[in-house]
Amino acid sequence: ELKVEQNPLFLSMQEGKNYTIYCNYSTTSDRLYWYRQDPGKSLESLFVLLSNGAVKQEGRLMASLDTKARLSTLHITAAVHDLSATYFCAALAGNEKLTFGTGTRLTIIP
Amino acid sequence: EPEVTQTPSHQVTQMGQEVILRCVPISNHLYFYWYRQILGQKVEFLVSFYNNEISEKSEIFDDQFSVERPDGSNFTLKIRSTKLEDSAMYFCASGALRWLATGELFFGEGSRLTVL
Repeated sequence: ELKVEQNPLFLSMQEGKNYTIYCNYSTTSDRLYWYRQDPGKSLESLFVLLSNGAVKQEGRLMASLDTKARLSTLHITAAVHDLSATYFCAALAGNEKLTFGTGTRLTIIP
Repeated sequence: EPEVTQTPSHQVTQMGQEVILRCVPISNHLYFYWYRQILGQKVEFLVSFYNNEISEKSEIFDDQFSVERPDGSNFTLKIRSTKLEDSAMYFCASGALRWLATGELFFGEGSRLTVL
């Protein structure tokens, strides 16, 4: 059974700093997703990584995928307060369903 | 832009009551999913639905749960006799035939269920 782990679970960082959230998954996965969730809200799709070595960037966020290491990272550059949210990664295995990670609650401190 | 819509946005019910959560997937999508998220926890898979039948269900999706496409457009999740631990946010998601290749899965805004 596919398991997806994220770390850290909680992250408090100052504005302007850089940090990385890690997502490990236990078995071969065809796709890796990153979502953002604001409190009480739905899941906003950030990135879909479709192959080994894939890198995608949007603003201050950059996601990458290493399928051999079964690892994806979400890198935050020069954090701003608006990025405060919970970030989830999710992996897709051959059974056509997404398995979500535990989530990383990110708080950006001015 | 097409979107997945869910109703109600919030429902409060007494334990033991039946609840139906409704989802209108994006037109022409063929894959449908229900996920739930207990407050502060991760998003958990409940059930997937394709070609008008359940393709996979999780251990959470026991006999108290059922899904239907009553009119070919709506996609409903029914909980027959709610328990306190069913309190959660329930998300519907839909994907087109090629969503597995494109990666595009669309989530609704969620229905918050509170069981008292």
